[in-house]
Amino acid sequence: GESVGLHLPTLSVQEGDNSIINCAYSNSASDYFIWYKQESGKGPQFIIDIRSNMDKRQGQRVTVLLNKTVKHLSLQIAATQPGDSAVYFCAEMPLAAGNKLTFGGGTRVLVKP
Amino acid sequence: NAGVTQTPKFQVLKTGQSMTLQCAQDMNHEYMSWYRQDPGMGLRLIHYSVGAGITDQGEVPNGYNVSRSTTEDFPLRLLSAAPSQTSVYFCASSPPGQGGETAFFGQGTRLTVV
Repeated sequence: GESVGLHLPTLSVQEGDNSIINCAYSNSASDYFIWYKQESGKGPQFIIDIRSNMDKRQGQRVTVLLNKTVKHLSLQIAATQPGDSAVYFCAEMPLAAGNKLTFGGGTRVLVKP
Repeated sequence: NAGVTQTPKFQVLKTGQSMTLQCAQDMNHEYMSWYRQDPGMGLRLIHYSVGAGITDQGEVPNGYNVSRSTTEDFPLRLLSAAPSQTSVYFCASSPPGQGGETAFFGQGTRLTVV
């Protein structure tokens, strides 16, 4: 079936450095590509999304890049902080029929002081 | 503003027992869905609903039933619990036609089947 996957299961980063999390997707028909942050014992928390007709979107300390040619999505976190330690998931969503999300397997980010 | 509320937070069941996981949202969202999350994995869609009275299957629907009698509530029923249903269950709601920032998740129900 169609799926969203990740390249790196665990990423260790020094506090203050930039983090880059990558994701490959397979469904070209998705309308949105979304990054979620999940802390232990909590539900997924929306970070940023990007519409399929865009290639870059910036938020506060985060940037999402979408490369439709190679079906690749990335999340860049600037000046990583201890509070950024969590598991990050990418997900894709078609706007039709229920906003069904297809998630990747997750990348754990560990921020070292 | 409560958002999406799931109850219970934790549950232990014996194999063969049935139970209902509750999900309620107060944002008047048309879309609601149930996901399960197994250790180290992403969420997988169980069932979803695009409005009151309308439900459909997701990726992993076997062993689960849902109903949507009101906009606010979307309960998930386990008919005869099996150890393979040990997981964390998340409910989500969103309005139609909008991006990811409008989708909200509950805090999850951690279910163990022994």
